[in-house]
Amino acid sequence: DQQVKQNSPSLSVQEGRISILNCDYTNSMFDYFLWYKKYPAEGPTFLISISSIKDKNEDGRFTVFLNKSAKHLSLHIVPSQPGDSAVYFCAASGRGAQKLVFGQGTRLTINP
Amino acid sequence: NAGVTQTPKFQVLKTGQSMTLQCAQDMNHEYMSWYRQDPGMGLRLIHYSVGAGITDQGEVPNGYNVSRSTTEDFPLRLLSAAPSQTSVYFCASSQRDRGSFFGQGTRLTVV
Repeated sequence: DQQVKQNSPSLSVQEGRISILNCDYTNSMFDYFLWYKKYPAEGPTFLISISSIKDKNEDGRFTVFLNKSAKHLSLHIVPSQPGDSAVYFCAASGRGAQKLVFGQGTRLTINP
Repeated sequence: NAGVTQTPKFQVLKTGQSMTLQCAQDMNHEYMSWYRQDPGMGLRLIHYSVGAGITDQGEVPNGYNVSRSTTEDFPLRLLSAAPSQTSVYFCASSQRDRGSFFGQGTRLTVV
């Protein structure tokens, strides 16, 4: 039973445009949501997070939106840059964020 | 400030052998955890620790042991390696309600 799902295995976006990555979850007990970026042969790198009491969090070019009623979150990257090409994972946890449940990942490719 | 350091980076084991994957962090984080990543899948939690002397099981704990005698170190032991344990292993550390810092990973092959 996949509690966190990223239904798009890949996404291709033109440089300068907006990239939107989506994630759905099933467990209503999740309290904290995170996005990670991963390059080949490296560990995931934390990007941005949001707690369940908020519906939006921004950090520079990255914004995460949370829709609790739909059990859906999304990551917006504006403007997209070539260095953003990577695999993006969403993750969810209960309070404390020490036990993360990950989605399968979406490979984002930014085209010049 | 090295962050999270994992050793070794690569390892080949024969079925039935045992080994320990090392993980150390220098950020004084209270939380540490081990994940495995298999092709086409996200990371899955093996074991985690919320402080020295405290460990608990994650989603896929079978075949693995952990201990946490210090804040800095969180080794993962494979008791009797099986081909199903071929994977990439990541160690992570964090503070409460903060994003985790991950090591570079250990690519393990069991033949």
